[in-house]
Amino acid sequence: GNSVTQMEGPVTLSEEAFLTINCTYTATGYPSLFWYVQYPGEGLQLLLKATKADDKGSNKGFEATYRKETTSFHLEKGSVQVSDSAVYFCALFRNTGNQFYFGTGTSLTVIP
Amino acid sequence: EAGVVQSPRYKIIEKKQPVAFWCNPISGHNTLYWYLQNLGQGPELLIRYENEEAVDDSQLPKDRFSAERLKGVDSTLKIQPAELGDSAVYLCASSLTQAHEQFFGPGTRLTVL
Repeated sequence: GNSVTQMEGPVTLSEEAFLTINCTYTATGYPSLFWYVQYPGEGLQLLLKATKADDKGSNKGFEATYRKETTSFHLEKGSVQVSDSAVYFCALFRNTGNQFYFGTGTSLTVIP
Repeated sequence: EAGVVQSPRYKIIEKKQPVAFWCNPISGHNTLYWYLQNLGQGPELLIRYENEEAVDDSQLPKDRFSAERLKGVDSTLKIQPAELGDSAVYLCASSLTQAHEQFFGPGTRLTVL
């Protein structure tokens, strides 16, 4: 079946630290991969995406590379800020069935 | 451009009572989704509409949940009767078509006592 596995949180980092949130997936075919961010009290917002193998999605200093050989889409940021504190969701989308599969989310807290 | 609007933002009811959630998608978006998000979990699809047609409701518990999207714009999701286990956040999302990016509303947090 289709599924997404994220590293469990919560993750607490100091400002300007390096961030990695691991995400691996299981899917048939060639899904598109996404990272969504959810700030407190808000809905999910698309952070970045990649639609095929070796694509790199990037936005607001965050990056993730679609690695088909390791079925991974790890989220990275070189220097986190307090304003990055949120819950991050990895997700895959399969055109067949037109459905998103979300991971369980990873809570990030950045302290000054 | 206005985003996806949901109301109410919070709802507290006693078990066995009915409850309804409303969603107004982004103007021009044909596809509308309702998701259930339990605490500490990712969203799970309940139902997807293409215009006014429910094209995927396989995950909707039809014994107590119902949804409608009259005129292919606004949508309501209803639970009757509510159970304790229904306490969760109900998210609405919309997209131009099913192949495009989904935009999420802020959600309705339901607490069933």
